Amino acid sequence: QSVLTQPPSASGTPGQRVTISCSGSSSNIGSNTVNWYQQLPGTAPKLLIYSNNQRPSGVPDRFSGSKSGTSASLAISGLQSEDEADYYCAAWDDSLNGQWVFGGGTKLTVL
Amino acid sequence: QITLKESGPTLVKPTQTLTLTCTFSGFSLSTSGVGVGWIRQPPGKALEWLALIYWDDDKRYSPSLKSRLTITKDTSKNQVVLTMTNMDPVDTATYYCAHSSIAVAGAPDYWGQGTLVTVSS
Repeated sequence: QSVLTQPPSASGTPGQRVTISCSGSSSNIGSNTVNWYQQLPGTAPKLLIYSNNQRPSGVPDRFSGSKSGTSASLAISGLQSEDEADYYCAAWDDSLNGQWVFGGGTKLTVL
Repeated sequence: QITLKESGPTLVKPTQTLTLTCTFSGFSLSTSGVGVGWIRQPPGKALEWLALIYWDDDKRYSPSLKSRLTITKDTSKNQVVLTMTNMDPVDTATYYCAHSSIAVAGAPDYWGQGTLVTVSS
């Protein structure tokens, strides 16, 4: 059971905009920033968004993040077939001396 | 260019101790604000954070696994070592090490390729 809650699946057609939600609590998302990762099959996770809405160098601006209260969202616009992957949210949790917590992951299917 | 690579046994027996080494390049673990952590992923399942060590030797552990984990660093060798005691088949997973820094708000940003560890007798 993951600390952060994500929908297990999402889907969209090429060109469409999709959003993935991530719900937490006051000790994690409520008091710290959120990061998002993309994991393509058989590969290590890749940092997609940090500090709620910042993109590392090289990440297309089709990917955007937002946060409100104890929830966060990842939006992907202009969906492409290569976006089919698992997406994870993560945040630092201030409880119990601090720890990173992850969501359970969302499998994005491009129809 | 930051790179990390995990190494260690691919198969361990139940009750044994697992020792994994993360060898990195492109950064120094003596630089302020830098950390190296471990995250694992059981086959077909979600990511689970395990431990993190900072440049100043501050260490953080997953509360649920704290009694079984030890993380150490060797700055001169550019290595971080994770030991996990009393291994069980449920610990079968791909184990990743990852770099983090204050430049990206401490988020694990560069990851190793991962190493699959199977726990079986």
